[in-house]
Amino acid sequence: AQRVTQPEKLLSVFKGAPVELKCNYSYSGSPELFWYVQYSRQRLQLLLRHISRESIKGFTADLNKGETSFHLKKPFAQEEDSAMYYCALPGSARQLTFGSGTQLTVLP
Amino acid sequence: GAGVSQSPSNKVTEKGKDVELRCDPISGHTALYWYRQSLGQGLEFLIYFQGNSAPDKSGLPSDRFSAERTGGSVSTLTIQRTQQEDSAVYLCASSVTGLYNEQFFGPGTRLTVL
Repeated sequence: AQRVTQPEKLLSVFKGAPVELKCNYSYSGSPELFWYVQYSRQRLQLLLRHISRESIKGFTADLNKGETSFHLKKPFAQEEDSAMYYCALPGSARQLTFGSGTQLTVLP
Repeated sequence: GAGVSQSPSNKVTEKGKDVELRCDPISGHTALYWYRQSLGQGLEFLIYFQGNSAPDKSGLPSDRFSAERTGGSVSTLTIQRTQQEDSAVYLCASSVTGLYNEQFFGPGTRLTVL
């Protein structure tokens, strides 16, 4: 069965420091992966997806099939990056299977 | 344009009562999803609609949960004989058909069962 694991429930970094939010998955086949973000009192929204190979708000994520990982990275964290981040994988019923989420706090 | 809307935004009910939660997807989105977000459980998939049909209901946690979608648009999630463990935020999302398309989420309905 497919699974998404985010090992860190909480992550704190100082402003300007690099940040990496970990995501590991189990999936048979070639996966498509997403990062969704939920800022305080806002809706859950798409941050980026693997298929687009894009950088959004300075964040990037590289799919590593050997390590079955899709870690989210940003070289210089900003206070406005503080949010809940979810890694997700599409399922057989076209739903998203989400990880348990990582609450990122960027300290001033 | 308008995003996904959900009503009510908050619902407090007594154990044993039935509740209905409503979702209005983005116009033209044929796919609609219900998820549940609870402390310690993360985001849990409940059910998916393609048009008016739900090909997979296996995510519904018990037979007290049911959902329907009419006219390829509005969807209602019904929980019968609510229990305290049903307390959670219920999220609806919609997307253009396609496995890799972005899902647009509503603001959620916070359900509290006393």
